[in-house]
Amino acid sequence: ETGVTQSPTHLIKTRGQQVTLRCSSQSGHNTVSWYQQALGQGPQFIFQYYREEENGRGNFPPRFSGLQFPNYSSELNVNALELDDSALYLCASSLRGSETQYFGPGTRLLVL
Amino acid sequence: AQRVTQPEKLLSVFKGAPVELKCNYSYSGSPELFWYVQYSRQRLQLLLRHISRESIKGFTADLNKGETSFHLKKPFAQEEDSAMYYCALYISGTYKYIFGTGTRLKVLA
Repeated sequence: ETGVTQSPTHLIKTRGQQVTLRCSSQSGHNTVSWYQQALGQGPQFIFQYYREEENGRGNFPPRFSGLQFPNYSSELNVNALELDDSALYLCASSLRGSETQYFGPGTRLLVL
Repeated sequence: AQRVTQPEKLLSVFKGAPVELKCNYSYSGSPELFWYVQYSRQRLQLLLRHISRESIKGFTADLNKGETSFHLKKPFAQEEDSAMYYCALYISGTYKYIFGTGTRLKVLA
């Protein structure tokens, strides 16, 4: 059984740039959720994808967008980066109906 | 508004002492609640969920709808319990998860 993987592990961008983060789901899982975790805070839900469609979204602006592919892997795209976007971005996969999530190690994004 | 509150940022106890990590939630519907744990240099992982009503690593958590709480308890803390603990609320129908800010548990020898 392969766990959730994320790439890259670290990333440095400048304000205004765009970034793409990637996530591979755990084998057999069909749902992916993305979270933003700022320093000292709990994970904040960005959105969830199931069957390649977004079906749940937290309080994040439209410049946060995503994709899910037929193999259930996923991307998080953030446009027009702001300094406050600096955080750890977590991906979690699950099987629809179970709601127990399996987390990846995260991608740490620094925006300068 | 839906919210999860973990009032303690840090909880220090001695080995063998009882542990209670507090979690309160705000939600008008029927809650699904979870405890997740993150050990040093490891990823976030599920500890337990309220519908399972099971004990994992000696931890239990009971949902109290009257007090809107889901406190995590263990009668005798072990050093290996030292970790970051997050309480999470799942809002069914919206597919949203709401996490608390976490409590760092330190078990002292």
